[in-house]
Amino acid sequence: NAGVMQNPRHLVRRRGQEARLRCSPMKGHSHVYWYRQLPEEGLKFMVYLQKENIIDESGMPKERFSAEFPKEGPSILRIQQVVRGDSAAYFCASSRYTGELFFGEGSRLTVL
Amino acid sequence: DAKTTQPPSMDCAEGRAANLPCNHSTISGNEYVYWYRQIHSQGPQYIIHGLKNNETNEMASLIITEDRKSSTLILPHATLRDTAVYYCIDENTGNQFYFGTGTSLTVIP
Repeated sequence: NAGVMQNPRHLVRRRGQEARLRCSPMKGHSHVYWYRQLPEEGLKFMVYLQKENIIDESGMPKERFSAEFPKEGPSILRIQQVVRGDSAAYFCASSRYTGELFFGEGSRLTVL
Repeated sequence: DAKTTQPPSMDCAEGRAANLPCNHSTISGNEYVYWYRQIHSQGPQYIIHGLKNNETNEMASLIITEDRKSSTLILPHATLRDTAVYYCIDENTGNQFYFGTGTSLTVIP
């Protein structure tokens, strides 16, 4: 029973490039959450999705960031025109219902 | 903003019980309290959750006060591998599960 899978685990981008982070939820889970964690800081909620729907994106920056969870395939967090301040660990979590979240090991983005 | 309050850090001797407090004064009647922990830079790990009654599983025990305004996570025999940041989450935050800054627990040999 595979856990939440995130890839890539590490991603390096230059300023202005695009970053795509993928998250495959646990089998049977239809709820996906994305969190961002800056160095030495706590987890910050970004977005909550169910299949093909964005339920709550109140934590997403208004520009450059987008997320999707298509009917087939993983959830994608997309960051366009990355800047150095986007350097962080991005964690994905999934749940069958709301409440008990299962987290992946994170994707660590470094912007040069 | 996070609706729970936790001490920023605690120490515990190895083999002793670690008692981590949390205040969740804005919690409503049907909202659960969840506890997670994050070891170093790994993904957070679910520990336990509860509504009214005390709960126990293989990892920890959760004691919730009668008025439900606070709770205590108990690790009965702390080991070095329990060193982590522990987050108490009030379901009142809705979809977002605000993690706050948690309590950094250091288990001392």
